[in-house]
Amino acid sequence: SQTIHQWPATLVQPVGSPLSLECTVEGTSNPNLYWYRQAAGRGLQLLFYSVGIGQISSEVPQNLSASRPQDRQFILSSKKLLLSDSGFYLCAWRGQPSNQPQHFGDGTRLSIL
Amino acid sequence: AQSVSQHNHHVILSEAASLELGCNYSYGGTVNLFWYVQYPGQHLQLLLKYFSGDPLVKGIKGFEAEFIKSKFSFNLRKPSVQWSDTAEYFCAVSRGGGADGLTFGKGTHLIIQP
Repeated sequence: SQTIHQWPATLVQPVGSPLSLECTVEGTSNPNLYWYRQAAGRGLQLLFYSVGIGQISSEVPQNLSASRPQDRQFILSSKKLLLSDSGFYLCAWRGQPSNQPQHFGDGTRLSIL
Repeated sequence: AQSVSQHNHHVILSEAASLELGCNYSYGGTVNLFWYVQYPGQHLQLLLKYFSGDPLVKGIKGFEAEFIKSKFSFNLRKPSVQWSDTAEYFCAVSRGGGADGLTFGKGTHLIIQP
């Protein structure tokens, strides 16, 4: 069966520090991969999605970037974190065809001090 | 771009009461519709989905939802709630045939009182 791993579960970082959150999927090939953020009092917002290695689509302009170095690995990064980057970050994957539901990881709670 | 509106942000019910959570979306094309649930301390999981066919879909744990295309709605229902239904519920929509992600509503925090 397919599983999705996301780490770390909790992260506290100072303003201006770099960020790297990793997400890996097991048990499937060529998944669509997604990064979402949930800020306090708001719903989940799509940040990036990827349909293949090296292919990244950004949904909103921001301080973050994403990369997909391998088929089942999706990384969320920042060179310099801002206070506004605090939130709950969720990784998700989806198989084919396009009407398949997305499956979510456990999320990373990111606090910026 | 599509958007999703959930009308109730906080709902408190007693056990055995009936539940209906409203969800409306704005998008003129073909859509896929979802309800996700997040129980306390757990990850988001799929409750039910609609892609095509019968507009009344049944999900896990006795939940169902009805897609009314003319009203752009996908309301979630359960005839008799249980204490274990306490959770956050999210309505989401994706474009039919698209690779891009889900657009979520802001969620409804449901509390069931024993």
